Amino acid sequence: ETGVTQSPTHLIKTRGQQVTLRCSSQSGHNTVSWYQQALGQGPQFIFQYYREEENGRGNFPPRFSGLQFPNYSSELNVNALELDDSALYLCASSLIGYEQYFGPGTRLTVT
Amino acid sequence: AQSVTQLDSHVSVSEGTPVLLRCNYSSSYSPSLFWYVQHPNKGLQLLLKYTSAATLVKGINGFEAEFKKSETSFHLTKPSAHMSDAAEYFCVVSMKTSYDKVIFGPGTSLSVIP
Repeated sequence: ETGVTQSPTHLIKTRGQQVTLRCSSQSGHNTVSWYQQALGQGPQFIFQYYREEENGRGNFPPRFSGLQFPNYSSELNVNALELDDSALYLCASSLIGYEQYFGPGTRLTVT
Repeated sequence: AQSVTQLDSHVSVSEGTPVLLRCNYSSSYSPSLFWYVQHPNKGLQLLLKYTSAATLVKGINGFEAEFKKSETSFHLTKPSAHMSDAAEYFCVVSMKTSYDKVIFGPGTSLSVIP
């Protein structure tokens, strides 16, 4: 166990809806990264937060947004859901510059 | 540009025989390299990491990997496969830019035959 938790475990949404996924970091970590893992593929980097600021972003549209809170927990928000957003969403916490520890993920299904 | 290639999408071995999962990378920077394992319907677990110290890195569960700069490779090995090793394995490159830029390889699915 890494100490990184995510909620909910599973989620089913309808196309066009909005969703919020949550992540609780490992104690002492100040950085959170989010990834999207489509079925049968490797995780794709969405963005990273360090001390409550987004400091890096992958090739994802603005409808993917996030927050990091003072206790370093984090949210991933996705607006205007599309069918292709169906995936496993992984959160990873770390100290900036060091290895990342992953949570169990949230499985999002968009119908 | 940075990239990670895992040369085999699927590897099948018999229980008790050696495991070799191959990884090559391309990076303009001096990267950190990792191997992660993902069991079905689970998150990712860190197996081992290379961060410019010893080139032969030992990880958990008997896995190890050797960093070869001249070959830009970071292959993962284990002397004797167990049934519990069946999983998806990801080679990962990390570069310190304005943020921790992390790139995953496409993954290698390891099957272990009893």
